[in-house]
Amino acid sequence: GAGVSQSPSNKVTEKGKDVELRCDPISGHTALYWYRQSLGQGLEFLIYFQGNSAPDKSGLPSDRFSAERTGGSVSTLTIQRTQQEDSAVYLCAGDTERSGGYTFGSGTRLTVV
Amino acid sequence: GENVEQHPSTLSVQEGDSAVIKCTYSDSASNYFPWYKQELGKGPQLIIDIRSNVGEKKDQRIAVTLNKTAKHFSLHITETQPEDSAVYFCAASLTGGYQKVTFGTGTKLQVIP
Repeated sequence: GAGVSQSPSNKVTEKGKDVELRCDPISGHTALYWYRQSLGQGLEFLIYFQGNSAPDKSGLPSDRFSAERTGGSVSTLTIQRTQQEDSAVYLCAGDTERSGGYTFGSGTRLTVV
Repeated sequence: GENVEQHPSTLSVQEGDSAVIKCTYSDSASNYFPWYKQELGKGPQLIIDIRSNVGEKKDQRIAVTLNKTAKHFSLHITETQPEDSAVYFCAASLTGGYQKVTFGTGTKLQVIP
């Protein structure tokens, strides 16, 4: 596609429910990154995929967070038993070995009530 | 790990004036420094980047400077326009491409018409 697509754009969920966030990167972007942006804050690294494997998942805040990527393309970020502190915008980005800069999606705004 | 500090957190300038945002980084091994602009409701967009073998780079009204010895880099926007109003993030990584990027906390720039 023309850009990085994330869905849903907004998600309101009840505390304790599980949520899945989806990222569809640009074709050819073999690296994929998930970041989290809390209100008024910077971007917090969560996990990075190279192809379907995750060489760096050091930013996942707890074992309630997991992510996978299939076919070197679509990635899903799953948050189990959501908590209010999980409320944030979750951003997905891709790049190539040569690009040097990320192409971000518009993010999923998650609100846990 | 890398730590990036960014100042100021907010900046208001009159249209036509210049704006300067400054960042420092901690890891002397970092050698790629991108800048991103984030408009309301959108993901960050790469606007300019600089690598450690270059001290300055310009693209129309924006320029970046890098001082590797002092480990700081800056974004300069000249002849500001209302459409420059956004949140700007500096970032650092070991190299461009396939690398986790560490972001600053952002600067909210307001250009007053």
